[in-house]
Amino acid sequence: DAKTTQPTSMDCAEGRAANLPCNHSTISGNEYVYWYRQIHSQGPQYIIHGLKNNETNEMASLIITEDRKSSTLILPHATLRDTAVYYCIVRFPRSGNTGKLIFGQGTTLQVKP
Amino acid sequence: DGGITQSPKYLFRKEGQNVTLSCEQNLNHDAMYWYRQDPGQGLRLIYYSQIVNDFQKGDIAEGYSVSREKKESFPLTVTSAQKNPTAFYLCASTSRDDYSGANVLTFGAGSRLTVL
Repeated sequence: DAKTTQPTSMDCAEGRAANLPCNHSTISGNEYVYWYRQIHSQGPQYIIHGLKNNETNEMASLIITEDRKSSTLILPHATLRDTAVYYCIVRFPRSGNTGKLIFGQGTTLQVKP
Repeated sequence: DGGITQSPKYLFRKEGQNVTLSCEQNLNHDAMYWYRQDPGQGLRLIYYSQIVNDFQKGDIAEGYSVSREKKESFPLTVTSAQKNPTAFYLCASTSRDDYSGANVLTFGAGSRLTVL
């Protein structure tokens, strides 16, 4: 699985959009980009994933650059409950590749009142 | 509701003792994983299993052992050989045949082990 690089920490004002970047310059053609978040002392929670196109769900939007070497997770209206560590992972999605999954240190997002 | 159950949530152990952390899932997932997390750190992979009766070492397997006798269960034993076992342990699972393409990891709530 491709390695990812994320900033260590970010701040965001409550109610504003939080934009979390991720670099994955060694991504291969069939690898997806996944985002998870971990609220303190809990298990990580899935947020969103994508391959090439931009994706949106009830939690967030994912913007993937055309060359797929980087992506941005967008929380459109951050709340205090969005304070967490956000992990960007690149991996193959299907069977045969359900092996080693690598989590980096992630980005600690602090949403401030 | 389907999910992953880890137990115990908190565990204290004396040095030199082995301890087993339980991980049970009712999601019918094929692959299961154990991660370790230290304060302020990301997740590090200890062991993973893609099918019953098979498992592979992750990045930090020394001092740990696992078994996968049933699809639903993937217990982790922290042995006395693990030199720094105090940590937060997370179990996860994913389906091998997720034809939606998502193949999302589901995590348990974690087990916090403290060695006294």
